[in-house]
Amino acid sequence: AQSVTQPDIHITVSEGASLELRCNYSYGATPYLFWYVQSPGQGLQLLLKYFSGDTLVQGIKGFEAEFKRSQSSFNLRKPSVHWSDAAEYFCAVGGDDYKLSFGAGTTVTVRA
Amino acid sequence: KAGVTQTPRYLIKTRGQQVTLSCSPISGHRSVSWYQQTPGQGLQFLFEYFSETQRNKGNFPGRFSGRQFSNSRSEMNVSTLELGDSALYLCASSPGQGIAGANVLTFGAGSRLTVL
Repeated sequence: AQSVTQPDIHITVSEGASLELRCNYSYGATPYLFWYVQSPGQGLQLLLKYFSGDTLVQGIKGFEAEFKRSQSSFNLRKPSVHWSDAAEYFCAVGGDDYKLSFGAGTTVTVRA
Repeated sequence: KAGVTQTPRYLIKTRGQQVTLSCSPISGHRSVSWYQQTPGQGLQFLFEYFSETQRNKGNFPGRFSGRQFSNSRSEMNVSTLELGDSALYLCASSPGQGIAGANVLTFGAGSRLTVL
């Protein structure tokens, strides 16, 4: 069974500082990996995805993620956060069964 | 291009009632998925439909059902509501075929159900 672990429930970061959100996955075959962001009262917006190829993927809003198969990880990074990046972030894994499995999410607070 | 539209956005029901939620996918998308989001359980997969056929179903009781119409619009129904059904119900659409087509989901804003 596929699963995703996001070890950090809540992260506080200063505006302009770098951000890294951790994600570990469990999947028997080649995983398809995603990061989504959710603002309060809204649906989920796709930040980036990894299917194959280059293990460093670029996404929207200046985010990037690196796939490390040996560590079963897909960590999300941003070099310099903006106050508008305050939101909840979800890592997800998908496969050939038409569903995504999501992590519990990491809430990011940005302080001025 | 219009996004995924979910109606209603908010609704309040009482225990024992039933509810129907609607989802209109992005034009041209043939797959619709439903997810339940709660503070305690997080995001959980309910079911996925493609061309009116259910291709996968999550681990939910039979009170939760869905369907998809020939125009790809989808509805989900929850009968005999329980307090624990209070949640944000998210619909997502995708083209539905191929690796990217089946997995890259575009989500709607959700329908927030409160059961009293």
